[in-house]
Amino acid sequence: QKEVEQNSGPLSVPEGAIASLNCTYSDRGSQSFFWYRQYSGKSPELIMSIYSNGDKEDGRFTAQLNKASQYVSLLIRDSQPSDSATYLCAVLERADGLTFGKGTHLIIQP
Amino acid sequence: ETGVTQTPRHLVMGMTNKKSLKCEQHLGHNAMYWYKQSAKKPLELMFVYSLEERVENNSVPNRFSPECPNSSHLFLHLHTLQPEDSALYLCASSQEFAEYYGYTFGSGTRLTVV
Repeated sequence: QKEVEQNSGPLSVPEGAIASLNCTYSDRGSQSFFWYRQYSGKSPELIMSIYSNGDKEDGRFTAQLNKASQYVSLLIRDSQPSDSATYLCAVLERADGLTFGKGTHLIIQP
Repeated sequence: ETGVTQTPRHLVMGMTNKKSLKCEQHLGHNAMYWYKQSAKKPLELMFVYSLEERVENNSVPNRFSPECPNSSHLFLHLHTLQPEDSALYLCASSQEFAEYYGYTFGSGTRLTVV
């Protein structure tokens, strides 16, 4: 069974610091990797996607992928209180759709 | 309307009721999905429709019945549900091969079974 593992947290980070969120996955056939942000009571919102080893940067967000280690991470620079949310790691293996982790609850402390 | 729209936003139903959840996407996508989100559990994929044909079931109980009349609309028909079916039900859509763009989610229907 495909699994996506995340530390549920809460992860508490001071405002302005770097928040580091981690995810591991079990299926080596996974092709694409996504980070979604979900505010309480709201639906998931896509913030980053990555499919090649290495880093991908978009504004304050950097996604990192290491397929050999089956590991994907999300860095949030200059964390803001509005970044407080649950971050969901999702992995796509084309035939099976997106598989999600349980999410990491991030709290940015003003 | 833009994006993925779900109705109703909230639903309370008894175990003997029959109700339907509706999802509509305005993105020109050709695949649609139903996910269930329960507390302390990851999102669970329930059904996948690609080009209006069901391609994934994931062993969902038959008290949940999906319907996809066209590429823009998706329904989830509910009957004789159990209290443990109470959850947030999310609809999503994508292009058939979503490797690069992921899925776009609707706002969800918060279902409570009493």
